[in-house]
Amino acid sequence: QKEVEQNSGPLSVPEGAIASLNCTYSDRGSQSFFWYRQYSGKSPELIMFIYSNGDKEDGRFTAQLNKASQYVSLLIRDSQPSDSATYLCAPGDSGYSTLTFGKGTMLLVSP
Amino acid sequence: DADVTQTPRNRITKTGKRIMLECSQTKGHDRMYWYRQDPGLGLRLIYYSFDVKDINKGEISDGYSVSRQAQAKFSLSLESAIPNQTALYFCATGPPSSNEQFFGPGTRLTVL
Repeated sequence: QKEVEQNSGPLSVPEGAIASLNCTYSDRGSQSFFWYRQYSGKSPELIMFIYSNGDKEDGRFTAQLNKASQYVSLLIRDSQPSDSATYLCAPGDSGYSTLTFGKGTMLLVSP
Repeated sequence: DADVTQTPRNRITKTGKRIMLECSQTKGHDRMYWYRQDPGLGLRLIYYSFDVKDINKGEISDGYSVSRQAQAKFSLSLESAIPNQTALYFCATGPPSSNEQFFGPGTRLTVL
């Protein structure tokens, strides 16, 4: 049974702060890692993916991966109220077939 | 037009009824997936397909069946709906040799 653990939150940060979302996974064979954002009642939206150890930056978002520790994180800089959503971590399987989703962390950004 | 469409968007039905949820995509992706989402349980994979002749069970396939009618169409059926199948159902598509997935808008299904 592949497990993906995320703190359910809510994680509350003030506008302009850095939000840090964390995820651990059990499948050592995972090679690809995805972050989705899901607004209440809406579908998940892909915002970042990372394959290699280290950091990957895209605008205000930075994904960080440490395969040895089986840990992946998402940093959101200059957080905005529109970033308030649930963030889903999803490691891919080693065969590049399926994703296993965490239950998500709810982020609340207050003005 | 949306790249991934799902019909219906909302459905209320009764226990024992047969229900079909449909998914269509214009992204040209080979891979298609069906998930359900329940509060507190997250997204769980029901079935997935990598081409018209390929169907694979996911984590929670019992009580469901699927049909891949064409590259662009993937339908999910509940042969005899039961109340614990009440959930939000998502279709997703993805390119070959990748775990990248793009989701449709979802179908909210209520089984009374």
